[in-house]
Amino acid sequence: SQQGEEDPQALSIQEGENATMNCSYKTSINNLQWYRQNSGRGLVHLILIRSNEREKHSGRLRVTLDTSKKSSSLLITASRAADTASYFCATARIETGANNLFFGTGTRLTVIP
Amino acid sequence: GAVVSQHPSWVICKSGTSVKIECRSLDFQATTMFWYRQFPKQSLMLMATSNEGSKATYEQGVEKDKFLINHASLTLSTLTVTSAHPEDSSFYICSARDFVGTGGRETQYFGPGTRLLVL
Repeated sequence: SQQGEEDPQALSIQEGENATMNCSYKTSINNLQWYRQNSGRGLVHLILIRSNEREKHSGRLRVTLDTSKKSSSLLITASRAADTASYFCATARIETGANNLFFGTGTRLTVIP
Repeated sequence: GAVVSQHPSWVICKSGTSVKIECRSLDFQATTMFWYRQFPKQSLMLMATSNEGSKATYEQGVEKDKFLINHASLTLSTLTVTSAHPEDSSFYICSARDFVGTGGRETQYFGPGTRLLVL
């Protein structure tokens, strides 16, 4: 299967709370990336973490990577209504060479104003 | 950041017709472009990898004669859905990899998607 697994599938929180999404994958990777997709729209790249990195920050985003457990998490702090979207992790696998991206199943985040 | 466009945004067609979708990198050259499809409330599934000047590489289960890909220039790749049927209705998204920009070879830039509805 191309897909990794993400949990939860859906998450609903109040504005100002933190949102945590998890991603698990199965193969060895070059890097793992997180993307955001608003309903019916294209994807926006959020952050990339390489296989030799454990944690990365970008604004209100914090990503962790545990290659021993083949898992990653995305934390969005102080959430806003505008953060409502679907969030996908995507892995670039070592064996594909061309760095094709394989997407997880996604988490639908709803931030309630 | 790098911009990728797709045309058309929406297409509705009759069963049996062919539909061409264009993917353009607007401000960078893309040696490699990727085509994905996404069903409602599902994830993106990679269909094929398109390299400029060579044949596309299709993922397992994707019919190359059904989904024709042409990557004739460094800024344009096209996906033609031939003899479309209702089950081909989906959201088709392309992406392009920028080898030269700050994103390096690791970042893909995605187009806004094309929604295809086959009646």
